[in-house]
Amino acid sequence: SAVISQKPSRDICQRGTSLTIQCQVDSQVTMMFWYRQQPGQSLTLIATANQGSEATYESGFVIDKFPISRPNLTFSTLTVSNMSPEDSSIYLCSVDGGSSYNEQFFGPGTRLTVL
Amino acid sequence: EDQVTQSPEALRLQEGESSSLNCSYTVSGLRGLFWYRQDPGKGPEFLFTLYSAGEEKEKERLKATLTKKESFLHITAPKPEDSATYLCAVQASGYGGSQGNLIFGKGTKLSVKP
Repeated sequence: SAVISQKPSRDICQRGTSLTIQCQVDSQVTMMFWYRQQPGQSLTLIATANQGSEATYESGFVIDKFPISRPNLTFSTLTVSNMSPEDSSIYLCSVDGGSSYNEQFFGPGTRLTVL
Repeated sequence: EDQVTQSPEALRLQEGESSSLNCSYTVSGLRGLFWYRQDPGKGPEFLFTLYSAGEEKEKERLKATLTKKESFLHITAPKPEDSATYLCAVQASGYGGSQGNLIFGKGTKLSVKP
């Protein structure tokens, strides 16, 4: 399975600022995904990021709030813009396993606290 | 609306006390059902994929089964190191390509005491 790293692992930010989260994979992957895991809630897909095309956002998430970059097949960034305390959450990137099992492999997550 | 419900929310077992976790789902055509394990401060770790009713998968003390409406994760003679949150997710066949949106339940937090 792919080895996925995220930076930063955690951060505490002030209201109104923005944070960019990086996701690095040790192999080339077609699809990368960004999820949010709020306290006591299930993982929710924010967007799907394919290299060379615009990210596809799920209902309730917009590009102005969560801009995503996917410059190559091993790297992606998610920016949380104009943050409010409601954005406090764990943000996870995942990649498709590339097999017939359709599984996704997840990074360790970024724990964000907004004051 | 596609939905996943896991029960119980939390489960405390004694070491060696076997039990089952439940994942009920409603989805417009099931492409796959996934089980993950998540330890505190870490991302979910993939365990199993199930595709069709009647299918079973095993890994060490874990066994996952699937029916048309639910999946069970059976834990046989658990050990303290099995303590974690177990997540269930479904993928609907309505999404194109080799991957699609995973819809997760809230998870079952399992604690195994020695």
